[in-house]
Amino acid sequence: KAGVTQTPRYLIKTRGQQVTLSCSPISGHRSVSWYQQTPGQGLQFLFEYFSETQRNKGNFPGRFSGRQFSNSRSEMNVSTLELGDSALYLCASSLGSGDGETQYFGPGTRLLVL
Amino acid sequence: AQKVTQAQTEISVVEKEDVTLDCVYETRDTTYYLFWYKQPPSGELVFLIRRNSFDEQNEISGRYSWNFQKSTSSFNFTITASQVVDSAVYFCALSEAGGYSTLTFGKGTMLLVSP
Repeated sequence: KAGVTQTPRYLIKTRGQQVTLSCSPISGHRSVSWYQQTPGQGLQFLFEYFSETQRNKGNFPGRFSGRQFSNSRSEMNVSTLELGDSALYLCASSLGSGDGETQYFGPGTRLLVL
Repeated sequence: AQKVTQAQTEISVVEKEDVTLDCVYETRDTTYYLFWYKQPPSGELVFLIRRNSFDEQNEISGRYSWNFQKSTSSFNFTITASQVVDSAVYFCALSEAGGYSTLTFGKGTMLLVSP
């Protein structure tokens, strides 16, 4: 089975711009979660989608949004980029049928905001 | 609220040494799940192990072993006879029941194994 894929792998943007990141889960997985990783804050949960609905959300401003499509692929969008949004954005997928499922991560998208 | 503490920021060992990575967690739930992930320089988080709160049996997988102790809220990870390829950042994570498998991560421990 193919793993979780994320595109693009690297991005450079300037402050004020917006960005869209894409994630394709493992085949058969219906839950997609997004995490932000920075040197200062570590790994932080952004949101989780299941069946095109956001089920859970972390403590991030409204500039961070996401969506999920009927094929379980997910996108996250960050509007009005700030320097502090520079991070590795990781997507993870799981079956989505219960608690405590193992989440499998993609290679991440490295975003640099100048 | 849940919390995961990995007190060791960085550990350096020489190849073939044994090394233990500590993980202490906090949760009010009686049902929860613990995980270890490895993050090599490429950035992808690689799943290593999952444990639920009702299973305190220690696990061994090759050179890796895990010690889960509810009495001390710890879930420690030992690498026996470390190798250079073990160099990575290791994360311990917690997921609570009702949380849709959302992970709360520790800050990670960077392990450097030199030849």
